[in-house]
Amino acid sequence: AQKVTQAQTEISVVEKEDVTLDCVYETRDTTYYLFWYKQPPSGELVFLIRRNSFDEQNEISGRYSWNFQKSTSSFNFTITASQVVDSAVYFCALSEANNNDMRFGAGTRLTVKP
Amino acid sequence: DAGVTQSPTHLIKTRGQHVTLRCSPISGHKSVSWYQQVLGQGPQFIFQYYEKEERGRGNFPDRFSARQFPNYSSELNVNALLLGDSALYLCASSLPGMNTEAFFGQGTRLTVV
Repeated sequence: AQKVTQAQTEISVVEKEDVTLDCVYETRDTTYYLFWYKQPPSGELVFLIRRNSFDEQNEISGRYSWNFQKSTSSFNFTITASQVVDSAVYFCALSEANNNDMRFGAGTRLTVKP
Repeated sequence: DAGVTQSPTHLIKTRGQHVTLRCSPISGHKSVSWYQQVLGQGPQFIFQYYEKEERGRGNFPDRFSARQFPNYSSELNVNALLLGDSALYLCASSLPGMNTEAFFGQGTRLTVV
C-alpha cells in the first residue's frame, strides 16, 4: 500500500533562512510519481513539481529545489532564502502507476517570519 | 484562462441532509478528481472521472457519489450527511493520461451541524 509521511508538522523560520521539508514514502510499485503542492490560506492547492520514479535527478526552480533519493525513499523540498510569501502548508503526494489515487502526506505548515 | 472553479464556496447543512457540490475543470482537461480534506490533514481521494466514466474510487461509503457531464464538469453528491463529513472538498482537473499533475480549485467548505 502507498503511504507518505511528513514528519515535520510545523516549521518556523526567519526570512532569508533556508528550510528543508522532509517527505518519506512507501510503495511496492517500481513505477510511481511524486508530487509537491503548496496550500496557502486561501485553500487552493498549488502544484509545484511532479517526478517519476525513474528520474532521480535533483531539480532546481528558482529558490526551490528537490532532492529525490530512492535509496532512502525520500523526496525532500528545500526553499532557499525563504520569504514571508512562502508561508503555507506544503504537501507531498505519491501516485502509483495506473492508479488514480494520489496519496497525500499530512502536510508541513511553514511559517516564515519577517 | 480560468482555473478550476468550484461552487458553492461555503455551505452549512444539517445532519441527514443531502448536498451537491459542483466543479468546472480547466478548459481542455477531461479528467476530474474529488478529494476530501479534513482540518489539519492532507486531502483524501474520493473519486476520479474521465470521459464521464468512473476511473477510481477511494475508501468512502456509498453515501458519496459523483458524475461527470459531457462538458467535463462534475458533481459530487453526499447523502445522509454526518457531522464527520464536515471538511474542505477539493476538485482537481488534469490532462488525459495516468498520473499527470492535478490542478485544484479553491474548494467548497462544508459544515454539517
